[in-house]
Amino acid sequence: GNSVTQMEGPVTLSEEAFLTINCTYTATGYPSLFWYVQYPGEGLQLLLKATKADDKGSNKGFEATYRKETTSFHLEKGSVQVSDSAVYFCALSGSGTYKYIFGTGTRLKVLA
Amino acid sequence: NAGVMQNPRHLVRRRGQEARLRCSPMKGHSHVYWYRQLPEEGLKFMVYLQKENIIDESGMPKERFSAEFPKEGPSILRIQQVVRGDSAAYFCASSPPLGQGSHEQYFGPGTRLTVT
Repeated sequence: GNSVTQMEGPVTLSEEAFLTINCTYTATGYPSLFWYVQYPGEGLQLLLKATKADDKGSNKGFEATYRKETTSFHLEKGSVQVSDSAVYFCALSGSGTYKYIFGTGTRLKVLA
Repeated sequence: NAGVMQNPRHLVRRRGQEARLRCSPMKGHSHVYWYRQLPEEGLKFMVYLQKENIIDESGMPKERFSAEFPKEGPSILRIQQVVRGDSAAYFCASSPPLGQGSHEQYFGPGTRLTVT
């Protein structure tokens, strides 16, 4: 079945550091891939998405590229801020299905 | 256009009581999904409903849990005789009808259920 694996946290960085959160997936066909962010006490917000191979999703300085050859969708940001502290979830939606499969989440803490 | 709305945002129940969680989808959306997030875990699919129909409840526990999406009004996730293990955040998502744009799901803010 479909699955998502993302790096375990917590990840602690200093402000302006480079961020990478790894995400790999297993799926048949051509899934859509997503990154969601969850701030403390809040719901999930869609951060970015990609619907086909080689697509790059980007938003608020975050980027992720859909790599079919490595089945990966790693999240990156060149310079993190304290306000980026949150839990980040990688997710996929399999082609022809409606269920979203989520990774376990990676907690990011950015220190001033 | 208001987003997906859930209420209550926080719910405290004693063991053995019933919990009712409500979800109003985005305007124009006729598909509703419920997910559960246990502490320190990702979201797990529970059930997928369209108006007056349960399409897929493969993620629902076999007992005590039920869901509905009536013709009028919000979708309801009902948990009878709650136990401490039901403590979690329950998220609702909605999407437009098939053929009307992407099938992307939009998430509500969640209901945090605490069973004491």
